[in-house]
Amino acid sequence: DTGVSQDPRHKITKRGQNVTFRCDPISEHNRLYWYRQTLGQGPEFLTYFQNEAQLEKSRLLSDRFSAERPKGSFSTLEIQRTEQGDSAMYLCASSLVNGDGYTFGSGTRLTVV
Amino acid sequence: SQQGEEDPQALSIQEGENATMNCSYKTSINNLQWYRQNSGRGLVHLILIRSNEREKHSGRLRVTLDTSKKSSSLLITASRAADTASYFCATDAGNMLTFGGGTRLMVKP
Repeated sequence: DTGVSQDPRHKITKRGQNVTFRCDPISEHNRLYWYRQTLGQGPEFLTYFQNEAQLEKSRLLSDRFSAERPKGSFSTLEIQRTEQGDSAMYLCASSLVNGDGYTFGSGTRLTVV
Repeated sequence: SQQGEEDPQALSIQEGENATMNCSYKTSINNLQWYRQNSGRGLVHLILIRSNEREKHSGRLRVTLDTSKKSSSLLITASRAADTASYFCATDAGNMLTFGGGTRLMVKP
């Protein structure tokens, strides 16, 4: 296991289009998190899963955003009807419950034009 | 919302000098963690200090935690040009990490 993988690394999309990102966590980790980071800021929490259950969602996660982790392994984050304000780096991380720290992926940089 | 506030926001030092970054937070925590991020990349976990610990060391890193003041500091000793990055503190209250805005460290060779 080489860590947390995110795909794609970069995505440029036109405003109004839908986009989907994928995250493959470390296989032994039962928690998976999505964060969003804009330039010069710290990451902001979006949502997290424990196994396949989505346990918490941020107010930042509007109804245009949906995340799934269907079999408790990989996760997808979909943004519908993208807006320019959605442009950001989307980071995925995984961890064990009560584990020592998160392992982050390299992120997906979304640019909405 | 971001719970942690790092200070300073930016720090520029010469190679070989020590770098100290501070973090303040607002609510009770289980632990506090420090992460490093190189430009345009993901975050790398550096060190975790639990709420019942006061100081922790890892290589050239020293972290302190004062829960009465709700503050933490990260000291990097004998800095290297390769330490140039953004450093974030993150508080763990049980379910997820809440990050501060980060300190951008530049180490000049």
